[in-house]
Amino acid sequence: AQSVTQPDIHITVSEGASLELRCNYSYGATPYLFWYVQSPGQGLQLLLKYFSGDTLVQGIKGFEAEFKRSQSSFNLRKPSVHWSDAAEYFCAVSPGNTGKLIFGQGTTLQVKP
Amino acid sequence: DADVTQTPRNRITKTGKRIMLECSQTKGHDRMYWYRQDPGLGLRLIYYSFDVKDINKGEISDGYSVSRQAQAKFSLSLESAIPNQTALYFCATSETRDSDEQFFGPGTRLTVL
Repeated sequence: AQSVTQPDIHITVSEGASLELRCNYSYGATPYLFWYVQSPGQGLQLLLKYFSGDTLVQGIKGFEAEFKRSQSSFNLRKPSVHWSDAAEYFCAVSPGNTGKLIFGQGTTLQVKP
Repeated sequence: DADVTQTPRNRITKTGKRIMLECSQTKGHDRMYWYRQDPGLGLRLIYYSFDVKDINKGEISDGYSVSRQAQAKFSLSLESAIPNQTALYFCATSETRDSDEQFFGPGTRLTVL
């Protein structure tokens, strides 16, 4: 069965430090890949997505993610974290031809001043 | 005005009561989804609909039912609420391609006592 794993439940980084959030998926073919962010009390907002082409994708708010087929990973990165980035981050995959999303468990990011 | 709206935003109810959560969208999308979010579990798909005449069960449909009254409206019902249905519920919409992102409403926080 398809699955998505975000190994880190909570991450704390200092403001200005770099960030990497991990995401691994289990699926036979290359799925469509997404990262969403959920700020407190809000719905989910798309940060970026990958479905083909360049394996390094750029998103909003200075985020990027790299698809690595050999590792079945789609890790999210940001070179310098801002206090406003504190939120919960979800990786999601859409297995081909299903129109559905499978979400990881989420990673809560805390930013220290 | 928000593109995807959910009513109510918060609801407290008692075990055994019937409750309906409503979702409306102004994006003109054909596809609509209902998810529930529980801490540590991410979002899980309850039901989804690819058009007005199409309703499909998701990962966790037991205890829930849905109605697609129009392209813009998709309601989720709990026929007899139970405490383990206490969760945050999200509606989402998307266009027709599997690679299209989903747009989320602000969520409904449901508590079943």
